[in-house]
Amino acid sequence: KNEVEQSPQNLTAQEGEFITINCSYSVGISALHWLQQHPGGGIVSLFMLSSGKKKHGRLIATINIQEKHSSLHITASHPRDSAVYICAVHSNTGNQFYFGTGTSLTVIP
Amino acid sequence: KAGVTQTPRYLIKTRGQQVTLSCSPISGHRSVSWYQQTPGQGLQFLFEYFSETQRNKGNFPGRFSGRQFSNSRSEMNVSTLELGDSALYLCASSLGQARNYGYTFGSGTRLTVV
Repeated sequence: KNEVEQSPQNLTAQEGEFITINCSYSVGISALHWLQQHPGGGIVSLFMLSSGKKKHGRLIATINIQEKHSSLHITASHPRDSAVYICAVHSNTGNQFYFGTGTSLTVIP
Repeated sequence: KAGVTQTPRYLIKTRGQQVTLSCSPISGHRSVSWYQQTPGQGLQFLFEYFSETQRNKGNFPGRFSGRQFSNSRSEMNVSTLELGDSALYLCASSLGQARNYGYTFGSGTRLTVV
């Protein structure tokens, strides 16, 4: 059983569309991270959340601790947003770090 | 400022050999964590070092080991390589313990075991 589940696995959108990627987790956490990985392997940490909502440019991340759920939203999507988005959580027991399998996003011009 | 530097970028090794990978964190960062990424298993946490001490360890066999030096640089060693160890190995650095701070990732070392 995966501790972190993401949906959808794959997503294709037209440029300008509003995009939502979901992450559900089954463990108690101290923090949740959203990561972006472009082809070639480089990973960028987008957000670290322990409660509420964070915004950076066109990206918004929210977390609901009670429901064990987080969402990553991209407003006005652009082809350069095409990447794999990965949700990761730090558990607060055993201090482990678990990753989702990623959502592959393609934004078409 | 310089980012997280991983060397080498690419490596080909033969089954049974051992390999050492290096990670230089951002200046001032004291935490270094290591991850393995494969197409089948995705990203998996290997271990985290903070001030030269291993703080956390993932679910990997003892063939995988690491250490951190006083200048916060870290090395990861894999002994008796198996074909399944072929992967992208990523390290990330953080100001403090990784769960409390954001990460900066290196570009990774792509290891191929033949």
